[in-house]
Amino acid sequence: QVHLVQSGAEVKKPGASVKVSCKASGYTFTGYFIHWVRQAPGQGLEWMGWVNPHTGGTDYAQKFQGRVTMTRDTSISTAYMDLGRLTSDDTAVYYCAKGLTGMFDFWGQGTRVTVSS
Amino acid sequence: SYVLTQPPSVSVAPGQTARITCRGSNIGTKSVHWYQQKPGQAPVLVVYDDGDRPSGIPERFSGSKSGNTATLAISRVEVGDEADYLCQVWDSSSDHPYVFGTGTKVTVL
Repeated sequence: QVHLVQSGAEVKKPGASVKVSCKASGYTFTGYFIHWVRQAPGQGLEWMGWVNPHTGGTDYAQKFQGRVTMTRDTSISTAYMDLGRLTSDDTAVYYCAKGLTGMFDFWGQGTRVTVSS
Repeated sequence: SYVLTQPPSVSVAPGQTARITCRGSNIGTKSVHWYQQKPGQAPVLVVYDDGDRPSGIPERFSGSKSGNTATLAISRVEVGDEADYLCQVWDSSSDHPYVFGTGTKVTVL
């Protein structure tokens, strides 16, 4: 069965960067995009971008361009999301999700990122 | 950018049918997907491509679309169905192409 296991919670200061990992298992890692979606406290879901594990290609939501980097390591079936210049508005739960033709069929458990001075 | 609007809350008695709507411009031309999210948990896909169910999702969950509105119906509602439900589409014209609805909290009375 498909599993996406994310790294643990992070606490960061404003201006810092955070890197969240997402280890995939149960399917061919290079066959499907990995997306990153975040959810601020009490808010809805916000798509951030995707990485193509096969090619390393990426596409980011305009809001995050210049501040986010999504990468992957195919040798360990792991995707990464690196978000820089953090502010309190970036406090959220960050999810990775396996993409499938315009939707997300499996999700990681989420990683809570808290930005606080 | 593209907007999907859902009612904030829906209340339903056990055994009845809950209907959750999702409105968006020209939604009839897009595939609509639905997710269930329980508190503190990741979303789970319950309906995709308007009305198909992933493996393991009960037949009680069904989706439909008419005009500018998509609807998720949960029949024979159980206490365990209490959760937030979000619709989602892919909109190629948006700079945020993967768009989520505002979410509906389903409360089982």
